[in-house]
Amino acid sequence: GDSVTQMEGPVTLSEEAFLTINCTYTATGYPSLFWYVQYPGEGLQLLLKATKADDKGSNKGFEATYRKETTSFHLEKGSVQVSDSAVYFCALTDKLIFGTGTRLQVFP
Amino acid sequence: NAGVTQTPKFRILKIGQSMTLQCTQDMNHNYMYWYRQDPGMGLKLIYYSVGAGITDKGEVPNGYNVSRSTTEDFPLRLELAAPSQTSVYFCASGGAGLADTEAFFGQGTRLTVV
Repeated sequence: GDSVTQMEGPVTLSEEAFLTINCTYTATGYPSLFWYVQYPGEGLQLLLKATKADDKGSNKGFEATYRKETTSFHLEKGSVQVSDSAVYFCALTDKLIFGTGTRLQVFP
Repeated sequence: NAGVTQTPKFRILKIGQSMTLQCTQDMNHNYMYWYRQDPGMGLKLIYYSVGAGITDKGEVPNGYNVSRSTTEDFPLRLELAAPSQTSVYFCASGGAGLADTEAFFGQGTRLTVV
C-alpha cells in the first residue's frame, strides 16, 4: 500500500542554519504530496503542497520539489528561525497517509 | 469560522468503558478522517470517509467504529476501551479532489484509558 518515509529526528540546528528534512514515498498512480507542520499543543496545518511531478511547493521560506524519478519530496529552508521549531510531517493523497514526523529544534 | 471542531478535549476512561469522540466541520467538505497520534509518533489513519454514508478502514481500525450520516459529522466510537487506545485523536476534513485542497485539522482529543 501507499506509504511515506521520513528521516528520524530530532533535527537540532542553530538559528540561520540550512534545513533539509528528507521524505520519500511509495504510491500507485500519481499522488499529490504535502508537508504539514504541528506546533506544540496544536493540530496539524498545511505548510506547502505539490500536485504533480517537478512542481515546487513553497511557503514561509520553506520549499519542496516533487521528484517522481526519485520518489522524493524533501523539505528545505535556507535560514531557520527559533519560531520554526515544530514537528514536520510529509503526507500523500488520497487517503492522506502521513510519515512519522520529524521534530525540528532551533536554538538561538 | 469554526472549521473542524472536536469534543471533548480531554477524557479519562476506565478499561472496558465506551465513548464517542465527536467531530463536526462547517466547510461542506466531503472527505473526513480520524487519526491517532501516540507520544513521539506520527499519525496513524483509523478511518476515513469520502462522503455521507461512505466510510472505509485506515491503517489501525481495530477497536473503533465510525458513521457518517451527514456531511458535517463524523463521530468515532470506542467500544470496550483498552490502555492501548491511550492517545491523542485528531479529526480532519478536506474538499472533494483532495489533491488540490488542504486538510483542516481539529485541536485534538487527549484520551487516557486507565
